[in-house]
Amino acid sequence: DTAVSQTPKYLVTQMGNDKSIKCEQNLGHDTMYWYKQDSKKFLKIMFSYNNKELIINETVPNRFSPKSPDKAHLNLHINSLELGDSAVYFCASSQKGYRVLSSTDTQYFGPGTRLTVL
Amino acid sequence: AQKVTQVQTEISVVEKEDVTLDCVYETRDTTYYLFWYKQPPSGELVFLIRRNSFDEQNEISGRYSWNFQKSTSSFNFTITASQVVDSAVYFCALRQGRGSTLGRLYFGRGTQLTVWP
Repeated sequence: DTAVSQTPKYLVTQMGNDKSIKCEQNLGHDTMYWYKQDSKKFLKIMFSYNNKELIINETVPNRFSPKSPDKAHLNLHINSLELGDSAVYFCASSQKGYRVLSSTDTQYFGPGTRLTVL
Repeated sequence: AQKVTQVQTEISVVEKEDVTLDCVYETRDTTYYLFWYKQPPSGELVFLIRRNSFDEQNEISGRYSWNFQKSTSSFNFTITASQVVDSAVYFCALRQGRGSTLGRLYFGRGTQLTVWP
């Protein structure tokens, strides 16, 4: 009964390839996020979706494209992978997160996907 | 601008010692939310606590306690009688209460805590 799940957990690929990371939450939350954790452990938001609508789109290369088929899923597709894309990518979800921000709103994170670009 | 500073990059203690992890934040908002997350060696991010800006009451949960002081913009985390299983990277984070960045978490750089047996 995992709350936020991501697949795959590890992803090793060659430069120039296209890859996707999938995320699913079974918490009934309205908002989902993608964060990137670099080699120095710094966490930074990339995207946020609320009920399939893109809310936050940070300064991320166009090669990164999130897709939300429904509010329980938020996938991350990366085109033309580069060495600098190597990182751990975390998916998260929160109950509201946007228009109706609750004082109890908390982001719960998935286990992370370690992407290594060779 | 929102900013979270964790000045301690690494802390090492021996089991059963008490340890305090510091967190200082900057925000112009009057309503905001502060969080602590734990990242053990296995890599997942585990939510520990949320504190709302209008609630300065300190909190204790077992060996964990949090001291929120708006006057010094600090939200410090103390582990009492530390254990080896407490070894992890601990992140402090801030979320605004309103505005276009609603929902976005601003993380500090994290503090690596190592507890030796």
